[in-house]
Amino acid sequence: AQRVTQPEKLLSVFKGAPVELKCNYSYSGSPELFWYVQYSRQRLQLLLRHISRESIKGFTADLNKGETSFHLKKPFAQEEDSAMYYCALSGQGGKLIFGQGTELSVKP
Amino acid sequence: DAGITQSPRHKVTETGTPVTLRCHQTENHRYMYWYRQDPGHGLRLIHYSYGVKDTDKGEVSDGYSVSRSKTEDFLLTLESATSSQTSVYFCAISESSPGQNSPLHFGNGTRLTVT
Repeated sequence: AQRVTQPEKLLSVFKGAPVELKCNYSYSGSPELFWYVQYSRQRLQLLLRHISRESIKGFTADLNKGETSFHLKKPFAQEEDSAMYYCALSGQGGKLIFGQGTELSVKP
Repeated sequence: DAGITQSPRHKVTETGTPVTLRCHQTENHRYMYWYRQDPGHGLRLIHYSYGVKDTDKGEVSDGYSVSRSKTEDFLLTLESATSSQTSVYFCAISESSPGQNSPLHFGNGTRLTVT
C-alpha cells in the first residue's frame, strides 16, 4: 500500500533557526516524492521534487530509501516560510498521495 | 497560475441534498483530480480522471461520484450530502501521470458545509 506519514502537525521555530519537516513513506516500488506548500491565501503549489536534487527557497530534501524518508530541511528559517507543507508520493496508477501536512510557524 | 476554476467557491447545504462541484480547466491537461482537505488528515484523493470518460477511485470515494464528459470539465457529485462531507474540496490537474516532469496544479478550493 502507498502511504505518506508526516508525524508533526505543527512545527514552531524562531527566525534564523534550522528547520526539518519529517516525511516517511511506504511504497513497494521505486517512489517519486515531492514537497508541496500552501502559503496563506495562495494555492497549493509544488515546492520541490526529489529527482531534481534542487534547492528551492533554501529548502532541500534528500530521499533516504533505507529509512524510507524524505525530510525537508532549511538551515535558516525565515518568517515568509510560514505555511502548510505537504509531502506527496507518486506511485501506481497515476495517483499522487499526500501526507497529513505540517504547519510551519516561524516566529520573529 | 494554471487556468483552473472551481465553482462554487462556498456552499452551505442540508443533509440529504445532492451537491455538484465543478472544476474547469483551460490548460488541456489530461489528468484531473478531486481531493478533500481536512485537519489532521491532510489531502485525501477522492476520484481522479486520466481522460474523457476515464475515471478511477481514490482513497475516500464512498459517497462521491464523478463525471468527465469533456477534457476541460470534471464534476464531483455528492448524491446525498452528509455532515462528514463538510470539507474543503480541491481540484487539481496535471499534463500527464504525476511524476517528476508533471506536477499537479491546484484550484482555489470549494468550502462545503453540510448542516
